[in-house]
Amino acid sequence: GAVVSQHPSRVICKSGTSVKIECRSLDFQATTMFWYRQFPKQSLMLMATSNEGSKATYEQGVEKDKFLINHASLTLSTLTVTSAHPEDSSFYICSASEPIAGSSYEQYFGPGTRLTVT
Amino acid sequence: SQQGEEDPQALSIQEGENATMNCSYKTSINNLQWYRQNSGRGLVHLILIRSNEREKHSGRLRVTLDTSKKSSSLLITASRAADTASYFCATAEYNQGGKLIFGQGTELSVKP
Repeated sequence: GAVVSQHPSRVICKSGTSVKIECRSLDFQATTMFWYRQFPKQSLMLMATSNEGSKATYEQGVEKDKFLINHASLTLSTLTVTSAHPEDSSFYICSASEPIAGSSYEQYFGPGTRLTVT
Repeated sequence: SQQGEEDPQALSIQEGENATMNCSYKTSINNLQWYRQNSGRGLVHLILIRSNEREKHSGRLRVTLDTSKKSSSLLITASRAADTASYFCATAEYNQGGKLIFGQGTELSVKP
């Protein structure tokens, strides 16, 4: 199957700084990518849908000015956590969408990025 | 947003036993998928079942889908210690570009 990479895999930053996480589809073009956040012992919460060449669509309750998403090419989406605080510490996972038969999409997930804000 | 409930939230069984996990959802769906996640790791796609399918098999996995009840079940037969992980269902609606909404998950522990 297709491969999606994330970089970095782990990052520790100080409170008040910004962190950028990259999500790349390595062997296919993804017009749509998704960003999820997962707190310990919890499920994945969809944060936003990232569309190549247009603004991201954010889920209710997700601050778009805090979580900046850029999808500049068909293989790269970035999530920037601005002015990070300890409560932003979480596991961030991206996925890239590829159409398959029957109007369905195959989702390929990145390995995740563990963000710790001190 | 979360799609619905999964039960049980936690399940502990002995190796060789079968494990059944259930998932309920709220909306009309295109398909439903099951994923596995080992602690602190990424997701592994297990199986996808379309809304017009009722049952699907893959190795030791059996998935059922009842769209009238908006529910699905995942059965793992002859469980192994390596099956220990969290299992999530995720639903995809039509015309959403593949967006997935995840259930709460079931934490499965298989004791050797």
